[in-house]
This record gives sequence, C-alpha cells and structure tokens, in this order.
Amino acid sequence: SQTIHQWPATLVQPVGSPLSLECTVEGTSNPNLYWYRQAAGRGLQLLFYSVGIGQISSEVPQNLSASRPQDRQFILSSKKLLLSDSGFYLCAWETGSSEAFFGQGTRLTVV
Amino acid sequence: DAKTTQPPSMDCAEGRAANLPCNHSTISGNEYVYWYRQIHSQGPQYIIHGLKNNETNEMASLIITEDRKSSTLILPHATLRDTAVYYCIAPRSAGNKLTFGGGTRVLVKP
Repeated sequence: SQTIHQWPATLVQPVGSPLSLECTVEGTSNPNLYWYRQAAGRGLQLLFYSVGIGQISSEVPQNLSASRPQDRQFILSSKKLLLSDSGFYLCAWETGSSEAFFGQGTRLTVV
Repeated sequence: DAKTTQPPSMDCAEGRAANLPCNHSTISGNEYVYWYRQIHSQGPQYIIHGLKNNETNEMASLIITEDRKSSTLILPHATLRDTAVYYCIAPRSAGNKLTFGGGTRVLVKP
C-alpha cells in the first residue's frame, strides 16, 4: 500500500536558523510531490510542486527552497528562518489520475 | 486550474444531511471534480471525485449537474466528527497542479 512519511511533527526553531523538512513516499513510482503551508486559520498555500527528480516548480516567492534528490523524496529547506515562516507544513503526493494523499504535517514555530 | 467557488461556512444539525455546494463554471469536459476535507490540525483527506455521473461511497455522495458547472457534496447523516473544512477542487487543467481555495467550514452542531 502507498504511504507517506513526513517528519518531524512539531518543530520550534529560532529566527535565522536553518530548516530541513523531509517527506518520503512508499508504494508508488514517479509521483507528483507537493509542499504546502497553512497559516493559522487560513487555507492551504501551494509552495512547491515537483513532477520528477530535480524538477521543482516554485509557486510563490519566499524564503524557502525545495529539492527532490530521489523519486520519492521531497525536502523543504531554508537557510535562515523568518518569523513569517511559522505555520503548518504539509507534504502530498498524487499520480495525476486519482486522489492525493497527505502527510500528517509539521507544525513549525519560529521564535 | 478551473476556479471553484464555495460558501465560506455553514452549520448542520447532527444526524441531518449536509449539502455542500460548489460552483465550477469554467471546468473543462475532461476535468474531474474532487472533494477533500481537513479536520483541524490534520492533513486533508480525500472524500470522493466524479466527472459526469453522480457518485457515492461510504463517506458521501457527489451530485454533478448535467452542465457540469456545479456540484453538491452530500453527507447523508452528519456527525460531530464531520466538522471540518471541505474543499472542492478541479485540478486537471493547464498546469495540472493541486491547488486549494478557501473551502467551506462546516460545523456540525448537536
């Protein structure tokens, strides 16, 4: 069966520190991968989208970057976190022909 | 993506049917309509999707109008655990990305 792993579940980081969130998918090949951010009480904002290894589409200008070093691995990074980077980060995958599956999310608080 | 429009919020009585509307007037002929819901502090969960015909599964029913410009998600017997934000999306258009609008915040009341 297909599963998606996202970690850590919660993270508290100081302003200016680096960030690395990892997402891995099992049980499927060549998925489309997504990173979203959700501020408190707000909707899901698409941050990055990838259709294959090394292919990353950035949806909004921001302090974050994404990489896809392997087919089923998607990493969200920042060199220096800002207070405004706080939020709920979600990874998701889909194959273009059926529903999407989401990770459990990472709640990031930048202090 | 085809733009979808949903009411921002609605209340529903426990045990009654909840009918959630969605307008997608710019949807193309081969574009599916998907419904997801997000319970507080969790990732979105797939509910159902459809193209032209009405669909039903263990979670809900989806009614799509003949002109495909709108659809309605029906939760037949709402429970308190159905309180969530419900998203209607039509992702299979140019760009083919999964983007979400504001959704409908459904509050099921006892």
